[in-house]
Amino acid sequence: GDSVTQMEGPVTLSEEAFLTINCTYTATGYPSLFWYVQYPGEGLQLLLKATKADDKGSNKGFEATYRKETTSFHLEKGSVQVSDSAVYFCALSEWDYKLSFGAGTTVTVRA
Amino acid sequence: DAGITQSPRHKVTETGTPVTLRCHQTENHRYMYWYRQDPGHGLRLIHYSYGVKDTDKGEVSDGYSVSRSKTEDFLLTLESATSSQTSVYFCAATGGLSYEQYFGPGTRLTVT
Repeated sequence: GDSVTQMEGPVTLSEEAFLTINCTYTATGYPSLFWYVQYPGEGLQLLLKATKADDKGSNKGFEATYRKETTSFHLEKGSVQVSDSAVYFCALSEWDYKLSFGAGTTVTVRA
Repeated sequence: DAGITQSPRHKVTETGTPVTLRCHQTENHRYMYWYRQDPGHGLRLIHYSYGVKDTDKGEVSDGYSVSRSKTEDFLLTLESATSSQTSVYFCAATGGLSYEQYFGPGTRLTVT
């Protein structure tokens, strides 16, 4: 079945540091890939997505590229802010409109 | 949040009692989902619905049932709550075209 593996946290960074969160997936077909973000006390919201190989999703300075050859969708941001402190989830969806989530990575950015 | 609300937002209940959580959406989305979030597990799908009165099980459905009598409402029932069902429950919905799911704010349930 489908599965998503993302790097374990927690991750603690200083402001303006570079952030990478690794995500790899296993799927039987050609899934759509997502990064969701959860700020403290809130529900999840979509950060970015990619629907086919070599697509790059981007939003709020975050980027991720759909790499079919390595089955990966790593999240990156060049200069993080305190407001980026959150839990980040990698997820995939195939034809059945169900999402499979990774375990989540907690990111804390210190001023 | 794309018009998704959940009620109650917090609940404390005793072992063995039935509990119903409600999800309401205003966007006429066809698909709706219930997840639970636990540390180290991410979000796990409990049940989902692909239309009125059409529901199916997810990966952690034991001890839960759902009903969807109207497009806008999706109810999750714990038939007899257990301490292992202490969790944060999220509802989500999607129209289907982009696979993007929209999430509600969550319900924190504590079973004592």
